[in-house]
Amino acid sequence: DQQVKQNSPSLSVQEGRISILNCDYTNSMFDYFLWYKKYPAEGPTFLISISSIKDKNEDGRFTVFLNKSAKHLSLHIVPSQPGDSAVYFCAASDPLTQGGSEKLVFGKGTKLTVNP
Amino acid sequence: EAQVTQNPRYLITVTGKKLTVTCSQNMNHEYMSWYRQDPGLGLRQIYYSMNVEATDKGDVPEGYKVSRKEKRNFPLILESPSPNQTSLYFCASSQRGYNEQFFGPGTRLTVL
Repeated sequence: DQQVKQNSPSLSVQEGRISILNCDYTNSMFDYFLWYKKYPAEGPTFLISISSIKDKNEDGRFTVFLNKSAKHLSLHIVPSQPGDSAVYFCAASDPLTQGGSEKLVFGKGTKLTVNP
Repeated sequence: EAQVTQNPRYLITVTGKKLTVTCSQNMNHEYMSWYRQDPGLGLRQIYYSMNVEATDKGDVPEGYKVSRKEKRNFPLILESPSPNQTSLYFCASSQRGYNEQFFGPGTRLTVL
């Protein structure tokens, strides 16, 4: 039973355009969400996060939007650059204080390709 | 430099030959975790540790063991590796399990 879903295995965009990566979750107890970026032959690196008390968080070219009622979050990259080409993982936090084990639950990832 | 290190980075072994992948972090983090990444399956948690001497199973613990005798180290042990454990393994650490986790560079394991 997949609690965090990234339904698009891949996405291709042109340099300078917007990239939108989507993520859906099923567990309403998740209250903190993160995006990681992974290049080949490297470990995932933290990109941006959002708490469930917010609906938007911005960091430079990266913005994460959270729609709690739809259990949906998205990562916007504007403008997209070739160096953004990577696999992006969405993750949701299941804190111990809400009865879950302390862990991050990851989606399967979306491979973003930004074409020059 | 704050980092998570893993060794070895690449390993080819044969079925049944015990192996250990080491993981060390220098950030004084309480929480450490092991993941495996497989095509089409994303990152799946194998084991985690919330503190020294406190370990617990993740989503795919079968065939693996861990120990946490020191805060900085969290080795992953495969007592009798099998081909279905061929995968890319990542160690991660964080202050708490629900915070941003810092990942190591990965260990590519092939079991023949």
